[in-house]
Amino acid sequence: NAGVTQTPKFRVLKTGQSMTLLCAQDMNHEYMYWYRQDPGMGLRLIHYSVGEGTTAKGEVPDGYNVSRLKKQNFLLGLESAAPSQTSVYFCASSYSAQGGNEQFFGPGTRLTVL
Amino acid sequence: GENVEQHPSTLSVQEGDSAVIKCTYSDSASNYFPWYKQELGKRPQLIIDIRSNVGEKKDQRIAVTLNKTAKHFSLHITETQPEDSAVYFCAASNLYSSASKIIFGSGTRLSIRP
Repeated sequence: NAGVTQTPKFRVLKTGQSMTLLCAQDMNHEYMYWYRQDPGMGLRLIHYSVGEGTTAKGEVPDGYNVSRLKKQNFLLGLESAAPSQTSVYFCASSYSAQGGNEQFFGPGTRLTVL
Repeated sequence: GENVEQHPSTLSVQEGDSAVIKCTYSDSASNYFPWYKQELGKRPQLIIDIRSNVGEKKDQRIAVTLNKTAKHFSLHITETQPEDSAVYFCAASNLYSSASKIIFGSGTRLSIRP
C-alpha cells in the first residue's frame, strides 16, 4: 500500500514551458486535492475533486488546470509556467468529507521556474 | 471569503515546557478542525482533530480546545521533546458541505531548545 505518490519529485522549467504533475493514490479515496506551499503562506488549495470525472477551483486556481479521468489519479497541468509558480506542490486525498476528511499527503514536488 | 489565522508564526520553547498555538476562523459553518505536523522536508501529517460538538480532545501530550462562540481553537503540547520541532498547521472545514474544502492557517514553526 503506497498511499499517495507524486511524480516527479523535482523539476526545473523555463518560463513559458508546460508540464503535468501526476498524483496517484491506492486507498480508493473519493476526494483529491492539489496544494501549493510557499514560505510563510501555509498550504493553499489550487484545485480539488470530489470524485472521478469532477474538478473544482480552490483558492488559487489561475494558471493551472486539472483532470480526474480515473479515480486513483489526479493530474495538475501548467500550460505556460511563470516564475510565480515556483513552489512546492502537494497532492492529498481523503475518503470523504463526512468521514472526517483526514487528508493524506503525497511527498511533494519541488518546482522551479526560471 | 473563508479565512484561518494562525499565531504565532514562530515559537521557541525550552525542552520540557509547554507550547500553545492559536487559530481563529471566519466561517461560522466550520465544524471540523484538524491539526497537521510537517517535519523538515516531509509531508504534512494529521496529529489530532476536533469536531464542533466537543470542546476539548486529548491524545497523550497533545490537546486541542475549541471555542465555537469566539471562533477560535488552540493546540497545546505539554512536556515538549526535540521530536516536536516542526511546522504545525491548523485548518477548518465544513464536513457537511459538498464543496469539501479545507482552509489551512499559515503555519507555526516550533523549535524546542535543549
